[in-house]
Amino acid sequence: GAVVSQHPSRVICKSGTSVKIECRSLDFQATTMFWYRQFPKQSLMLMATSNEGSKATYEQGVEKDKFLINHASLTLSTLTVTSAHPEDSSFYICSAGKGLAGGNEQFFGPGTRLTVL
Amino acid sequence: AQSVTQLGSHVSVSEGALVLLRCNYSSSVPPYLFWYVQYPNQGLQLLLKYTSAATLVKGINGFEAEFKKSETSFHLTKPSAHMSDAAEYFCAVTTNSGYSTLTFGKGTMLLVSP
Repeated sequence: GAVVSQHPSRVICKSGTSVKIECRSLDFQATTMFWYRQFPKQSLMLMATSNEGSKATYEQGVEKDKFLINHASLTLSTLTVTSAHPEDSSFYICSAGKGLAGGNEQFFGPGTRLTVL
Repeated sequence: AQSVTQLGSHVSVSEGALVLLRCNYSSSVPPYLFWYVQYPNQGLQLLLKYTSAATLVKGINGFEAEFKKSETSFHLTKPSAHMSDAAEYFCAVTTNSGYSTLTFGKGTMLLVSP
């Protein structure tokens, strides 16, 4: 159990367009989901923490108006990159957690490679 | 506040040799510690975790790690490396106080030569 999916796995878009990435917990309910960004050969940087039914908490330096996060249900969170630019090109990874009862473990999705031309 | 330091951005071993990836942590409260593996263009897969039970933790694929509070360390080991172990490894820390975020180390790339 504890499988997390992401869709799409790869997306190429033109500068100025918006892209939506979906993160789903397939076999458990996740009250909290996390969105990370990973640049080549670097570690994961937490962008935001999203709780079902409430506004996401963004890390310092992350533009909340550019990276829109919606956590509409216990199994789905979405990240929308608005007006994407080439510098937004990156690998975006989501994770879903089972909370303290689950040892605070996060289960990671396979990632989405975004390329903005 | 919490932090993780992984010593060595790259570690090279021969197939069959001992694997040792180092991780030191800093945390003001009792930590939960994790090791993840990442293959190219994929998400993270949990290898093992320490959550205040046994200090020697066994994980998947023959990996294990030992929590040493006095040394604030959680080094990852495997007795005999396989070619398939070549990947990026991340150590991460969180706390046991409710839902706190994971803090990752910078990662160590494990290279395995025949």
